[in-house]
Amino acid sequence: AQKVTQAQTEISVVEKEDVTLDCVYETRDTTYYLFWYKQPPSGELVFLIRRNSFDEQNEISGRYSWNFQKSTSSFNFTITASQVVDSAVYFCALRAILYNQGGKLIFGQGTELSVKP
Amino acid sequence: SQTIHQWPATLVQPVGSPLSLECTVEGTSNPNLYWYRQAAGRGLQLLFYSVGIGQISSEVPQNLSASRPQDRQFILSSKKLLLSDSGFYLCAWSAKGTGDLNYGYTFGSGTRLTVV
Repeated sequence: AQKVTQAQTEISVVEKEDVTLDCVYETRDTTYYLFWYKQPPSGELVFLIRRNSFDEQNEISGRYSWNFQKSTSSFNFTITASQVVDSAVYFCALRAILYNQGGKLIFGQGTELSVKP
Repeated sequence: SQTIHQWPATLVQPVGSPLSLECTVEGTSNPNLYWYRQAAGRGLQLLFYSVGIGQISSEVPQNLSASRPQDRQFILSSKKLLLSDSGFYLCAWSAKGTGDLNYGYTFGSGTRLTVV
């Protein structure tokens, strides 16, 4: 079975602090994709990153960085120098590659990040 | 370019009434289609997915059903709504095939359903 666990339900930080959102996944597939999405109060899902299971290289995009460790089945997301606009719910998700699974995306429960000024 | 349309944006329905939410995709063909629900607890739960016309897979037993009458149309329905059906419903599509570019998803803007 596939599963994504985001153990942190809520995180509150003060602006300019660094914050890491944890994501642990379970899958029997050898090939899979991992995602992070941001959901602001308006509700739409904003795509942040997609990572192939073969590519364990960490990625940095501005204040965002992602640490993918296959050995621990984790795909953590760090925001450096957080800002109030980063306040949102963040979802980690896993996609199976097998065609007969319809390419479905399995989400974690989400972490609500609150950045206070 | 590909777009996904989902309507209505908000809906208030009485208990026991029927439901029909529609999602259409433009600019692509033979997509995988998905319905997700987000209850007050915030998690995104996959309800149904479809790999082709008339092919529906249900992930969770519930009061809802889905249909795909056309290649790019996905409908979520209920004959009699329950209070527990309240939530935020999101439609999404993804392309088939292999390669990194085919493993992205596009989500609709969602329907906020309140059953009263």
